[in-house]
Amino acid sequence: AQSVTQLGSHVSVSEGALVLLRCNYSSSVPPYLFWYVQYPNQGLQLLLKYTSAATLVKGINGFEAEFKKSETSFHLTKPSAHMSDAAEYFCAVSESGSSNTGKLIFGQGTTLQVKP
Amino acid sequence: EPEVTQTPSHQVTQMGQEVILRCVPISNHLYFYWYRQILGQKVEFLVSFYNNEISEKSEIFDDQFSVERPDGSNFTLKIRSTKLEDSAMYFCASSDKRGVRPQHFGDGTRLSIL
Repeated sequence: AQSVTQLGSHVSVSEGALVLLRCNYSSSVPPYLFWYVQYPNQGLQLLLKYTSAATLVKGINGFEAEFKKSETSFHLTKPSAHMSDAAEYFCAVSESGSSNTGKLIFGQGTTLQVKP
Repeated sequence: EPEVTQTPSHQVTQMGQEVILRCVPISNHLYFYWYRQILGQKVEFLVSFYNNEISEKSEIFDDQFSVERPDGSNFTLKIRSTKLEDSAMYFCASSDKRGVRPQHFGDGTRLSIL
């Protein structure tokens, strides 16, 4: 069964520092990969997605992620953190292939804290 | 930009009571989903729905749960006899194409079972 692992339940960075949130998936066939952000008392907002096109994917708010098949990873980065980036971040996968119903399997989430 | 809307935002119910959570997906979307997030835990898939039938459901989605698309706009999740462990945030999502296209999520309904 598919699984997603986000290393680090809490990440703390200083404003202006690099943000790196890690995500690894388990699948023999590259799935579709997504990063979502959740602000307090809100739903999940799509940051970016990988669907077998370019391996480096750019998303909203200056975030990007690189799909590395050899490492089964899809880490999220942002060169310079902003206070408004403080939120919960979820990596999610959806199986590719005709039998896929589209369900998302989520990682456990990473809380990003940005210190002034 | 079109949004998925969910009502109510917070529902408080006595254990054993029935509860219906409502969602209005984005109008041209065909694939509908429910997820839940127990406080402090990850988001879990409950059920997917397409062409007026369930396409997949998780182990969590037992006989106490049901989904319905009663008209062209609403998508509902019913829990027949709520248990304390049903307390969670429930998210509705929709997509215009399964898998490759991202799902759009509502803001969720916080369900509290007393």
